[in-house]
Amino acid sequence: GAVVSQHPSRVICKSGTSVKIECRSLDFQATTMFWYRQFPKQSLMLMATSNEGSKATYEQGVEKDKFLINHASLTLSTLTVTSAHPEDSSFYICSARSGSPQETQYFGPGTRLLVL
Amino acid sequence: GQNIDQPTEMTATEGAIVQINCTYQTSGFNGLFWYQQHAGEAPTFLSYNVLDGLEEKGRFSSFLSRSKGYSYLLLKELQMKDSASYLCAVVDSNYQLIWGAGTKLIIKP
Repeated sequence: GAVVSQHPSRVICKSGTSVKIECRSLDFQATTMFWYRQFPKQSLMLMATSNEGSKATYEQGVEKDKFLINHASLTLSTLTVTSAHPEDSSFYICSARSGSPQETQYFGPGTRLLVL
Repeated sequence: GQNIDQPTEMTATEGAIVQINCTYQTSGFNGLFWYQQHAGEAPTFLSYNVLDGLEEKGRFSSFLSRSKGYSYLLLKELQMKDSASYLCAVVDSNYQLIWGAGTKLIIKP
């Protein structure tokens, strides 16, 4: 199947700093990428939908200015957590939509963020 | 509202068969996914159903009945590595994924 990579896989940072997470589709072009957050023992929660060349669409309750999303190309989307705080500690997962051979979403391996 | 229901937890024995059910009520339907998620890892794609019927892929099969708003994931010849959470997700009329809370499957020797 298609491959989606995420970098970094783990990051520990101090409160108040910003963290950038990259999501790449390695062997297909993805016009749409999604960013999810998952807290322990909970289901995935969609944060935003990222479309190449346009502004991301954020879900209700997700702060646009805190979670900056840039979909720079058909294979790269970035999520920047600005001024991170301990409550932002979570598992962040991206996925990319592939239209071929059928409409499917492939997930990156996730990034575990710990804010001290 | 939109709703996906699946059991919270199931237990099965190594070598046996288990069926994980998923029922849904969504605004429109454009397909149903099953994903497997091991603890601490991202979900991995298992299957996609958009037409009624059974799709078989090795030890895993997925069934869909659109008229009943029902799907199941069937796992045969269970192995210890199949212990994971299994997530059911429906694509609604806006092509948004609506996620179930997941079923934690525990395999016992």
